[in-house]
Amino acid sequence: SQKIEQNSEALNIQEGKTATLTCNYTNYSPAYLQWYRQDPGRGPVFLLLIRENEKEKRKERLKVTFDTTLKQSLFHITASQPADSATYLCAFLGGATNKLIFGTGTLLAVQP
Amino acid sequence: DSGVTQTPKHLITATGQRVTLRCSPRSGDLSVYWYQQSLDQGLQFLIQYYNGEERAKGNILERFSAQQFPDLHSELNLSSLELGDSALYFCASSSGDSRSYEQYFGPGTRLTVT
Repeated sequence: SQKIEQNSEALNIQEGKTATLTCNYTNYSPAYLQWYRQDPGRGPVFLLLIRENEKEKRKERLKVTFDTTLKQSLFHITASQPADSATYLCAFLGGATNKLIFGTGTLLAVQP
Repeated sequence: DSGVTQTPKHLITATGQRVTLRCSPRSGDLSVYWYQQSLDQGLQFLIQYYNGEERAKGNILERFSAQQFPDLHSELNLSSLELGDSALYFCASSSGDSRSYEQYFGPGTRLTVT
């Protein structure tokens, strides 16, 4: 079955550094991959969408890459800030509908 | 603020009971999705409605049902509740057309079954 894997271990980095989160998927070739941010007890917030024919997408300090050969997406936050601390979820659209399949998320902690 | 509203915010009930969760999508969005998030399962897709009709189903239990009304709000009904149903339930909405795949999530309803 379709599966998304994210590093379940928390990522701790120092303020100002670049955070890189990984999302790997199997048994599927998604046309779109999305990244969301989730704060504790709150709903996920959409950040970026990347299409299979796009190698890279940027939005302010965020950058997403999509490697369909490796079946992997990387999510980068440059010049990270403590306010970036949250869980980051990747998701892809499964099937003909807009049914999102989410990874379990990676907790990012940015230390001041 | 995503523009998606959910009520109630918190719900505490006993096993065997039935509850109804309500969701109002963003203005103009035709698609509504329901998700369950528990600590050990992550975010799980339950069901999707588009303009009043069921569009897709995930791993939704038979004890759970949903509907979308003509004004596009949606309700998720959970019956014969068990302790394992305790979770955060999120509603999300999207325009539902091929130009926009991002989903906008509500604040969630935290259900505690005792």
